Amino acid sequence: NAGVMQNPRHLVRRRGQEARLRCSPMKGHSHVYWYRQLPEEGLKFMVYLQKENIIDESGMPKERFSAEFPKEGPSILRIQQVVRGDSAAYFCASSPGVNQPQHFGDGTRLSIL
Amino acid sequence: DQQVKQNSPSLSVQEGRISILNCDYTNSMFDYFLWYKKYPAEGPTFLISISSIKDKNEDGRFTVFLNKSAKHLSLHIVPSQPGDSAVYFCAAENPGGGADGLTFGKGTHLIIQP
Repeated sequence: NAGVMQNPRHLVRRRGQEARLRCSPMKGHSHVYWYRQLPEEGLKFMVYLQKENIIDESGMPKERFSAEFPKEGPSILRIQQVVRGDSAAYFCASSPGVNQPQHFGDGTRLSIL
Repeated sequence: DQQVKQNSPSLSVQEGRISILNCDYTNSMFDYFLWYKKYPAEGPTFLISISSIKDKNEDGRFTVFLNKSAKHLSLHIVPSQPGDSAVYFCAAENPGGGADGLTFGKGTHLIIQP
């Protein structure tokens, strides 16, 4: 029973490039969440999606960031025209529903040169 | 404005003794609370949760206590073991408020000494 799978584990981009982070939820989980962790900080909620729907994106920066969870395939967090401040660990979590524990992947560490 | 606060960045406990990690929150709309454990370079691992209708939940060596009037929760680990050394995050959820993401504290680094 595989857990939440994120890839790549590490991603290096130059300023101005695009970063694509992928997340496959646990089997049977239809709720996907993305979080960002800056150094020495806790995780900060970014976006909550169900299949083909963004339910809550209140934590997403207004520009350059987007997320999707298509009918088929993994959820994607996309960052366009990356800047140094985007360097962080990005974690994906999934759950079977609300008021149920979210289970996390091991994250993607994004480094911007 | 931090809605979930873990005021102790680190805690050192002797092996075999009780570890008590504390967490305070300010948003009275939170109604579901969780504790996660995190090792370096890994994602958080779910440990235990509690709904606001309860004041205690126990799972093996882990017990979470919730004091709603004080907006305070704590995680007790007894007996503490070397493998418990990790960063522990407290998290809270307000599903009724339309946002279903978790709000995390900054974490407490627990060190279990032999």
